[in-house]
Amino acid sequence: GAVVSQHPSWVICKSGTSVKIECRSLDFQATTMFWYRQFPKKSLMLMATSNEGSKATYEQGVEKDKFLINHASLTLSTLTVTSAHPEDSSFYICSAGWANVLTFGAGSRLTVL
Amino acid sequence: AQTVTQSQPEMSVQEAETVTLSCTYDTSESDYYLFWYKQPPSRQMILVIRQEAYKQQNATENRFSVNFQKAAKSFSLKISDSQLGDAAMYFCAYRWDSGSARQLTFGSGTQLTVLP
Repeated sequence: GAVVSQHPSWVICKSGTSVKIECRSLDFQATTMFWYRQFPKKSLMLMATSNEGSKATYEQGVEKDKFLINHASLTLSTLTVTSAHPEDSSFYICSAGWANVLTFGAGSRLTVL
Repeated sequence: AQTVTQSQPEMSVQEAETVTLSCTYDTSESDYYLFWYKQPPSRQMILVIRQEAYKQQNATENRFSVNFQKAAKSFSLKISDSQLGDAAMYFCAYRWDSGSARQLTFGSGTQLTVLP
């Protein structure tokens, strides 16, 4: 079956630094990947749609300069949280589509001190 | 805009019993997909079951089945013979199949507790 790998699973950083999260489709090619954010005991909120070879499409209210998305190949999308602040602390999940089903990565927990 | 509503923030069920989780959605589209995802404490999202809107027959996957009422825009999940491993947050999700735009819209979730 389709597998999506996400790394790191947990990262702690200091306020003001940048953090990169990788999302890889291991056994299929994904021209489109999705990035979600999830707060504790809450639902998943779509942040942006990552498109291979072109600019990402961001949802309303998501800061493009804060959350940089790069989709340089058919198997890799990255989310960089720039100049992170404590309010950016959250659980970030990526997903990619295969056979009409979205498969999710295991998520990345970001803690900004 | 499409919306998905789960009106039960928490549910509990006795082990081996049956429980039904509710979901309603709002859309003006005729061609779409509906899903139930499970998120256990590990927070890995796991697909439980999916339903294509054009199919009248309700989807089933072993102990999991849905009651899809298209006219009422209702999509409930029934879990039979509940097991301890079924304890998780369950999300109902909608996807309008517009080609490349395959993002999911999620409901707020139902936390299911299975009592031994």
